[in-house]
Amino acid sequence: AQSVAQPEDQVNVAEGNPLTVKCTYSVSGNPYLFWYVQYPNRGLQFLLKYITGDNLVKGSYGFEAEFNKSQTSFHLKKPSALVSDSALYFCAVRDMGSGGATNKLIFGTGTLLAVQP
Amino acid sequence: EPEVTQTPSHQVTQMGQEVILRCVPISNHLYFYWYRQILGQKVEFLVSFYNNEISEKSEIFDDQFSVERPDGSNFTLKIRSTKLEDSAMYFCASSSARGHTEAFFGQGTRLTVV
Repeated sequence: AQSVAQPEDQVNVAEGNPLTVKCTYSVSGNPYLFWYVQYPNRGLQFLLKYITGDNLVKGSYGFEAEFNKSQTSFHLKKPSALVSDSALYFCAVRDMGSGGATNKLIFGTGTLLAVQP
Repeated sequence: EPEVTQTPSHQVTQMGQEVILRCVPISNHLYFYWYRQILGQKVEFLVSFYNNEISEKSEIFDDQFSVERPDGSNFTLKIRSTKLEDSAMYFCASSSARGHTEAFFGQGTRLTVV
């Protein structure tokens, strides 16, 4: 069964420092991977995705993520954190049904990023 | 920038009552979804809808749930007889294609069943 794990419930980082939010996945075949961010009382906003090609993908608000097939990971990164980056971050994988990728997203449990000034 | 809009933002209903949650997907999108997030838990898939029919649904999406696209713009989720455990944030989403295409989510409807 497809699954996504976010091992950290919370990540604390000082403003200006680099940040990493971890995600590992388990799928059959090649994964379609996504990161979404949820600000308080808001919906999920798409940040970036990996489908194929370059392992380093760049997304919104200066975020990037590195796909590592051997480690089955897709960690979210940013070189310099901002206080405004504080939010809940979700990693997700497209369910690879028997007929190929379905429409269903499987989400991780989320990681709360807290950036201290 | 086009966005998915949901109404109402918050709905309080009594147990056993029917509720309808409304969504307006992005206009040129063809695939529509409902997800829910129980407080403090992960976002869970409920159902996907394409070409005026359900294309996929989860175990959560039982006979109490139904979806409809009554006109060219709205997409609704109906819960026939709400239970306390239906209390959650419900997110509507849409995408232009399946597979590798990202889904865009609305801001959610917080449903509280009392």
